Amino acid sequence: DAGVTQSPTHLIKTRGQQVTLRCSPKSGHDTVSWYQQALGQGPQFIFQYYEEEERQRGNFPDRFSGHQFPNYSSELNVNALLLGDSALYLCASSLDRRLGRNEQFFGPGTRLTVL
Amino acid sequence: AQSVTQLGSHVSVSEGALVLLRCNYSSSVPPYLFWYVQYPNQGLQLLLKYTSAATLVKGINGFEAEFKKSETSFHLTKPSAHMSDAAEYFCAVSEGSNDYKLSFGAGTTVTVRA
Repeated sequence: DAGVTQSPTHLIKTRGQQVTLRCSPKSGHDTVSWYQQALGQGPQFIFQYYEEEERQRGNFPDRFSGHQFPNYSSELNVNALLLGDSALYLCASSLDRRLGRNEQFFGPGTRLTVL
Repeated sequence: AQSVTQLGSHVSVSEGALVLLRCNYSSSVPPYLFWYVQYPNQGLQLLLKYTSAATLVKGINGFEAEFKKSETSFHLTKPSAHMSDAAEYFCAVSEGSNDYKLSFGAGTTVTVRA
């Protein structure tokens, strides 16, 4: 049973560029959340997707956007990259919380470096 | 709004000694609480979770945690540390039936001395 997978593993961009990160949820999961983990800090919630819609959003600017596809996979897009966007981006999948399942399974992350 | 405070950014223990990692939370409703472990250059792995059932929760790799509502705490323990326990540990809280996000603490790095 494949767990959560993310691509690419590492990415280097320059300021002002745009980036797209991808995530495939654990088999059977329908909900995808994205987190940003800066060096030496805990993960910070960016947003969550369920049924192809953004269901909840954290305190991140509109430069951060996402998408969920019918097969439940997801993309995170960041526009106009800033140096401060350098971080490990984690994807987590889960079953819809309303079903009583609230456990999130994390992927290995994408390390984004902005120069 | 919920939040988590992890007391101590670094903990050093001898192999075979008790591991104790402290987590205090704030939440306006009964919370769901989690401990995750992160090994270098990897994602987060769930150690254990509290979801309003038993207050003493047993997890993987010999870890357990006790939910104490009166102290708003969810401390993580392991009776005997192993070298493989060296990692970063995060406490997280989720609140309410309509709040889907996890709010994490800043993490505690554990080193194990031979």
